[in-house]
Amino acid sequence: AQRVTQPEKLLSVFKGAPVELKCNYSYSGSPELFWYVQYSRQRLQLLLRHISRESIKGFTADLNKGETSFHLKKPFAQEEDSAMYYCALDDNAGNMLTFGGGTRLMVKP
Amino acid sequence: EPEVTQTPSHQVTQMGQEVILRCVPISNHLYFYWYRQILGQKVEFLVSFYNNEISEKSEIFDDQFSVERPDGSNFTLKIRSTKLEDSAMYFCASSGSSVRGTEAFFGQGTRLTVV
Repeated sequence: AQRVTQPEKLLSVFKGAPVELKCNYSYSGSPELFWYVQYSRQRLQLLLRHISRESIKGFTADLNKGETSFHLKKPFAQEEDSAMYYCALDDNAGNMLTFGGGTRLMVKP
Repeated sequence: EPEVTQTPSHQVTQMGQEVILRCVPISNHLYFYWYRQILGQKVEFLVSFYNNEISEKSEIFDDQFSVERPDGSNFTLKIRSTKLEDSAMYFCASSGSSVRGTEAFFGQGTRLTVV
């Protein structure tokens, strides 16, 4: 069975510092991975997906199949990046997402 | 911008009662989902629904649960004989496709409290 692990429940950084939110997965097939974000009092929304190889709000994530990781990175954190971040894996059925436990990012001024 | 809408935002019910959680997916979406998140735990998949049928369901989605699309706009989750452990945030989601990598759009959630 697939599994997604986010080892850090909380990550606190100062504004302007680099950020890396870790995500590791366990999946026997070819993974489709996402990062979803939930800002305070807002709904879960897609931040980025590995298939698009895009940068959103300065965030990037690279799939490393050797390390089974999909870490989310941003070179310079902003206060508005403070939110809950969830890594998720899409199984073969399509859109049956398996979520990690989430990491709360706090960016201090 | 179109959004998935869930009602109510908070539901309190007594143990043993039945509850219906309601969702209005994005209008041109055909694939619908329910997830739940027990406080302090992961977001967990419950069920996916397409063409008036369940496509996939998890082990959590037992006979206590059912889903329905009673009309052209609503998608409901019914929980019969609620238990204390059913207390959670329930999220509805919809997507325009079942192709892997397609974005799922989530509602704001219904917090269910069973007392």
